[in-house]
Amino acid sequence: DTGVSQNPRHKITKRGQNVTFRCDPISEHNRLYWYRQTLGQGPEFLTYFQNEAQLEKSRLLSDRFSAERPKGSFSTLEIQRTEQGDSAMYLCASSLGTSGETQYFGPGTRLLVL
Amino acid sequence: DAKTTQPPSMDCAEGRAANLPCNHSTISGNEYVYWYRQIHSQGPQYIIHGLKNNETNEMASLIITEDRKSSTLILPHATLRDTAVYYCIVRDNFGNEKLTFGTGTRLTIIP
Repeated sequence: DTGVSQNPRHKITKRGQNVTFRCDPISEHNRLYWYRQTLGQGPEFLTYFQNEAQLEKSRLLSDRFSAERPKGSFSTLEIQRTEQGDSAMYLCASSLGTSGETQYFGPGTRLLVL
Repeated sequence: DAKTTQPPSMDCAEGRAANLPCNHSTISGNEYVYWYRQIHSQGPQYIIHGLKNNETNEMASLIITEDRKSSTLILPHATLRDTAVYYCIVRDNFGNEKLTFGTGTRLTIIP
């Protein structure tokens, strides 16, 4: 399977702990996106990368959140000092490097903050 | 991006065609209509997209009205595996990279 992969699939943590998620995009996809989805809602855009450059960040991405894509391949999303409101599904998607290309999503990482 | 309106839920009998409507009355000329679906606990799956012509692929058909203010996604022979939340999204494919999801239509296929 050469789709988008995300790890871990599930994460339970205590409030105040830091967590990090990883996303591996489809090979040769230059663009990588992070979304967050809470129960009963559609996914909400957080940020995206063109290769290693982070080009857009949503205001949903508070200063406790940081995303990186250091070599333009996989990406990590870190949440520091987690809060119960951070409990959600974190989705990664990738697309080819030009505007308007279709985004393909991974299975997501489900985070539960106790 | 233009806002979309979808019914919150629909049922369809297995083997019949499922027709999912979407209103996007404020769509502008360079905005595409995209459809994704999300099966429980999985990531969204791309289905189809179009600008103004009707489109068909192995999964579905997309019918866009001539004024482009609404569209219909058609699953020709629904199976139980088509039970999912279906999202209609309008997106400007030039310079706007994010997808703006609404709450979608929860489609239930009845055996």
